[in-house]
Amino acid sequence: NAGVTQTPKFQVLKTGQSMTLQCAQDMNHNSMYWYRQDPGMGLRLIYYSASEGTTDKGEVPNGYNVSRLNKREFSLRLESAAPSQTSVYFCASKTMEGEPQHFGDGTRLSIL
Amino acid sequence: KQEVTQIPAALSVPEGENLVLNCSFTDSAIYNLQWFRQDPGKGLTSLLLIQSSQREQTSGRLNASLDKSSGRSTLYIAASQPGDSATYLCAVTTGGSNYKLTFGKGTLLTVNP
Repeated sequence: NAGVTQTPKFQVLKTGQSMTLQCAQDMNHNSMYWYRQDPGMGLRLIYYSASEGTTDKGEVPNGYNVSRLNKREFSLRLESAAPSQTSVYFCASKTMEGEPQHFGDGTRLSIL
Repeated sequence: KQEVTQIPAALSVPEGENLVLNCSFTDSAIYNLQWFRQDPGKGLTSLLLIQSSQREQTSGRLNASLDKSSGRSTLYIAASQPGDSATYLCAVTTGGSNYKLTFGKGTLLTVNP
């Protein structure tokens, strides 16, 4: 039972480099989400996809882009990484309104 | 803008004690409220979800209550165990935005043997 799988688990980038974080879920969920978690700030929503083919901005979308590749996969791209994007990134999914979100184990990203 | 506050930020108790974690939110027009557990270096695990029309939910030693009108929820943990040590997060889905969660910053719970 894989649930929500995020790759990579750890990554170190230099300022200005680009990178795509991958997320896949095997629960046939409709909605998918990207969050970042920072000390003292809690979890904040970056982007979400309510259903396949749609994406919307969350609370902190600047500097990020997303792609809902198909129902299973939702990727997050940093085009030009900045030190302020050092964080732990979580992907989540859920099947429908009123149901709980299921989270992956996170990607720990450091930008030097 | 919805804001979620959790008190206390950290709590340390001896094994066997009953305890209460608190969560408050500023906009009472919520769709539901969830309690999550996060272990160090791990993702979040959903513990309980309370719909806006419900007053409480129970799972094993956990009981979560919701008072929507006052903007408050509590998570009650009975007979705490060292394995309960984790960060507990409260999150709300605000009405009209059924897909998005707003999180509190969490309560770090340590249960001492």
